[in-house]
Amino acid sequence: EDQVTQSPEALRLQEGESSSLNCSYTVSGLRGLFWYRQDPGKGPEFLFTLYSAGEEKEKERLKATLTKKESFLHITAPKPEDSATYLCAVQRGSQGNLIFGKGTKLSVKP
Amino acid sequence: DAGVIQSPRHEVTEMGQEVTLRCKPISGHNSLFWYRQTMMRGLELLIYFNNNVPIDDSGMPEDRFSAKMPNASFSTLKIQPSEPRDSAVYFCASSFGTSGEQFFGPGTRLTVL
Repeated sequence: EDQVTQSPEALRLQEGESSSLNCSYTVSGLRGLFWYRQDPGKGPEFLFTLYSAGEEKEKERLKATLTKKESFLHITAPKPEDSATYLCAVQRGSQGNLIFGKGTKLSVKP
Repeated sequence: DAGVIQSPRHEVTEMGQEVTLRCKPISGHNSLFWYRQTMMRGLELLIYFNNNVPIDDSGMPEDRFSAKMPNASFSTLKIQPSEPRDSAVYFCASSFGTSGEQFFGPGTRLTVL
């Protein structure tokens, strides 16, 4: 069965304290792995797509990496505005639908 | 572009009543997705359409739930009769083709008393 597990469930950081979020997945025929950000009271917002092991993508203080079994979202010198829930999702085969993990809620204190 | 539009934003109803949620996807997108989000189960896909045709409805909980997409610019998700366990935030999302880059609406927070 396809499965996406994110850890930790919640993470509290001080401003400037770098860390990583983990997304472990089990899926047959991975087509792509996606990271989304969700702010309270809003819908998820797309951040990155990763297609193959070894691939990396960067956006401001965020960098996403992918291996054959997991993906990491590295946050360098985070700011309070980075506080949000980060969701990981996988897509398999030719299907359009995504399977989401339950997310990591990140809080960055000034 | 206005993005994905959902209505209503909040809905409070009583058990047994019919609930209809509405969605207008981004113009030009030909895939539309309905999701449900709860604390316990996270974000779950209910159904998705491609070119107005339902492709995968395996996530629809039971016969009380139904979804339609009569044209490329409008979709509805109906719950009849509603139950308290249906309380959740329902999101609509759209994308171009089978791209995993989906654009989500603001959601409808449904409370069934």
